[in-house]
Amino acid sequence: DAGVIQSPRHEVTEMGQEVTLRCKPISGHNSLFWYRQTMMRGLELLIYFNNNVPIDDSGMPEDRFSAKMPNASFSTLKIQPSEPRDSAVYFCASTSTDGLGGYTFGSGTRLTVV
Amino acid sequence: AQTVTQSQPEMSVQEAETVTLSCTYDTSESDYYLFWYKQPPSRQMILVIRQEAYKQQNATENRFSVNFQKAAKSFSLKISDSQLGDAAMYFCAYRGYYGGATNKLIFGTGTLLAVQP
Repeated sequence: DAGVIQSPRHEVTEMGQEVTLRCKPISGHNSLFWYRQTMMRGLELLIYFNNNVPIDDSGMPEDRFSAKMPNASFSTLKIQPSEPRDSAVYFCASTSTDGLGGYTFGSGTRLTVV
Repeated sequence: AQTVTQSQPEMSVQEAETVTLSCTYDTSESDYYLFWYKQPPSRQMILVIRQEAYKQQNATENRFSVNFQKAAKSFSLKISDSQLGDAAMYFCAYRGYYGGATNKLIFGTGTLLAVQP
């Protein structure tokens, strides 16, 4: 298995632009999580899906952030418009519903908004 | 709400020595899971060890072991025979026992471990 695949690995964009981060979870995993990591706030859960349905989006910072999971093998996190304070590493992780198999993280996307 | 606290922002250990990283958590649940994750400079999050709260026996994975004290809500990680490759940020994490809404991992702030040759 190739693991959780995130793209792009790095993204540099100008303030005000739309940014889309992508994630392909491990086949058979039915829970998917988006985390944001910054020096100031550590690892924050933004949103997670169970069977493609958003379960908890209370961590999404504001309306500029949106996430979708149109099918079991793909999810996106979109920021529109982007701001410099959105600069962070964004991780996607997946697991089976019982979580007993552990959570597998992608390599993350480092987003820089200038 | 559940919280995870790591009170040691940084630790240092000599190669081949033993080091213990601390973690405490707060929860009103009786069943849950605890994890230690390692994040090297490559930023990949790697699962080190997992503990089920209903198990009294402490988990062990090769040179890594935990001291799980349920009553004290403490979950420390011991690394024996430290190696240069152990240098990384270590995160303690909590997850509820049941799936669905409790499936999310809650992380501590991390401990940066340096290994001195």
